Amino acid sequence: AQKITQTQPGMFVQEKEAVTLDCTYDTSDQSYGLFWYKQPSSGEMIFLIYQGSYDEQNATEGRYSLNFQKARKSANLVISASQLGDSAMYFCAMREFAGAGSYQLTFGKGTKLSVIP
Amino acid sequence: EADIYQTPRYLVIGTGKKITLECSQTMGHDKMYWYQQDPGMELHLIHYSYGVNSTEKGDLSSESTVSRIRTEHFPLTLESARPSHTSQYLCASSELATNNEQFFGPGTRLTVL
Repeated sequence: AQKITQTQPGMFVQEKEAVTLDCTYDTSDQSYGLFWYKQPSSGEMIFLIYQGSYDEQNATEGRYSLNFQKARKSANLVISASQLGDSAMYFCAMREFAGAGSYQLTFGKGTKLSVIP
Repeated sequence: EADIYQTPRYLVIGTGKKITLECSQTMGHDKMYWYQQDPGMELHLIHYSYGVNSTEKGDLSSESTVSRIRTEHFPLTLESARPSHTSQYLCASSELATNNEQFFGPGTRLTVL
């Protein structure tokens, strides 16, 4: 079963507008973490934002914020004031306990964001 | 800025060759990871390590092998490359603390002809 679901293969947003990238997750753990990464066409993965399952406040990092709705198991990324440089693939990932003291990241399939001038 | 390096960045090689993809980090991180990513697709964990002399297989079965003789170095080896190994390989590292993000290297784009 898919643990991380990103339902938007591609999204377009006008420059300077806000955009929400969807992410839902599936876990039976009480303790887990949710991450968003950005991957430009050059291929590297850039960490954007983190939300812990026990964090009561939604995480924010500059123009990025994470809309965490625990009961709905969703962790949507909101990018405010989009810039042309935001055009990239965006991956949602979940860290959960994998047994024997180890933690692993599971990634969604990604959303390709294109910012239109 | 993450200090994790991968070489080569791009590699085109013929079938049957032995290759080693290098990954080094200067952050003193104990945990290191290798992911495989096909174009436009999600990342799949193929190997990880908790520290020196520790290596584990990830969720996605891979014919590659890894070693961790030094904390900073986590090379991945394919004994006999095949076209099905064509992919991007991303190395990452993190501290042992559970809520720390993984820092990724720039990746190696491998093409096997």
